Amino acid sequence: GAVVSQHPSRVICKSGTSVKIECRSLDFQATTMFWYRQFPKQSLMLMATSNEGSKATYEQGVEKDKFLINHASLTLSTLTVTSAHPEDSSFYICSARPGGRPDYEQYFGPGTRLTVT
Amino acid sequence: AQSVAQPEDQVNVAEGNPLTVKCTYSVSGNPYLFWYVQYPNRGLQFLLKYITGDNLVKGSYGFEAEFNKSQTSFHLKKPSALVSDSALYFCAVRDNAGNNRKLIWGLGTSLAVNP
Repeated sequence: GAVVSQHPSRVICKSGTSVKIECRSLDFQATTMFWYRQFPKQSLMLMATSNEGSKATYEQGVEKDKFLINHASLTLSTLTVTSAHPEDSSFYICSARPGGRPDYEQYFGPGTRLTVT
Repeated sequence: AQSVAQPEDQVNVAEGNPLTVKCTYSVSGNPYLFWYVQYPNRGLQFLLKYITGDNLVKGSYGFEAEFNKSQTSFHLKKPSALVSDSALYFCAVRDNAGNNRKLIWGLGTSLAVNP
């Protein structure tokens, strides 16, 4: 149980275009989802926290107009990188917290490798 | 300020030998502590956590960790390493003081188990 999927697993896009990454909780309802960014040989950086049906809360320094997050249902959150640039190339990981579970409990997706050329 | 330190970028160990991956933390309140493992190009998998109770926590795949409050450490251990344990290991802490419920992550330690 508690499986989280991400799609696509890897994507290459041209500079200036937008790309959408999906995060789905497959066997549970996720009231809260998190988006992380991971640079090579570096730790996870929390980008934003999204609660179903409300606006995402972004961490300091993360541009909300560039990284659009939509948590439209209890099983799906999307991250859209708008007007992507090469510096946005990174490994993006989502995690999901099941409803009614302790707030430290979260399950991670397999990640999406974004390369902007 | 809250922080997590994993002092070793890489740990090398021979298969069958015991392994230790170190983690120290700094929080103002009582910590919740976690270990996660990441295999290449994959997301993080939960290994174990300390919330309260027994200082020695046993987790998945034969791993265990000991919460040491006086040394503010939560080192990950396994009595006999396997080649398949080779991966990137992350320690994380949550400070339960105040309203901050975010996880603070270490930089990760790459474990290489040699056959």
